[in-house]
Amino acid sequence: GAVVSQHPSWVICKSGTSVKIECRSLDFQATTMFWYRQFPKQSLMLMATSNEGSKATYEQGVEKDKFLINHASLTLSTLTVTSAHPEDSSFYICSARVTQAKTYEQYFGPGTRLTVT
Amino acid sequence: DAKTTQPPSMDCAEGRAANLPCNHSTISGNEYVYWYRQIHSQGPQYIIHGLKNNETNEMASLIITEDRKSSTLILPHATLRDTAVYYCIVRVYNFNKFYFGSGTKLNVKP
Repeated sequence: GAVVSQHPSWVICKSGTSVKIECRSLDFQATTMFWYRQFPKQSLMLMATSNEGSKATYEQGVEKDKFLINHASLTLSTLTVTSAHPEDSSFYICSARVTQAKTYEQYFGPGTRLTVT
Repeated sequence: DAKTTQPPSMDCAEGRAANLPCNHSTISGNEYVYWYRQIHSQGPQYIIHGLKNNETNEMASLIITEDRKSSTLILPHATLRDTAVYYCIVRVYNFNKFYFGSGTKLNVKP
């Protein structure tokens, strides 16, 4: 149980285009999902918290107009990187917390490798 | 959340116990210690968590000092598949967010 998937697993796009990444909780409902970014040889950096049915909250320094987050259902959150540039190339990882769980562990997706050319 | 300090890397021989330390000297009374690991190019995997008592599960053991200022994750019989970056995180139990530190790169060698 508690499986989180991401799609696509990798994507290459041209500079100036937008890319959408999906995060799905496959066997549980997730009121809250999280998006992280990880550059090579660095740790995960929390970008934003995605709440079902409400606006996402972004960490300091993360541009909300560039990284659009939509959490329209209890099993799906999407991250759209708008007007992507080479510096946006990174490994994007989502996680989800089980709704109404007694514990607060998060389950992580396998990640999406974005390369902007 | 309290800041954690971990050694950047450690080596361990296959089949031996791997002991990964974590310092969290500013931990608060209501903060738990969590351990996750990240195998190369994958999402982090939950290992174990605890408050003040030692904990054990099928993956590992967590030893927390009496003053709670440090802890040790123990992998009893490390295998090559345990090669990963191990993250020690402290946070309030019902707080949503995880903030990852730099972690320890564990290299298990044959």
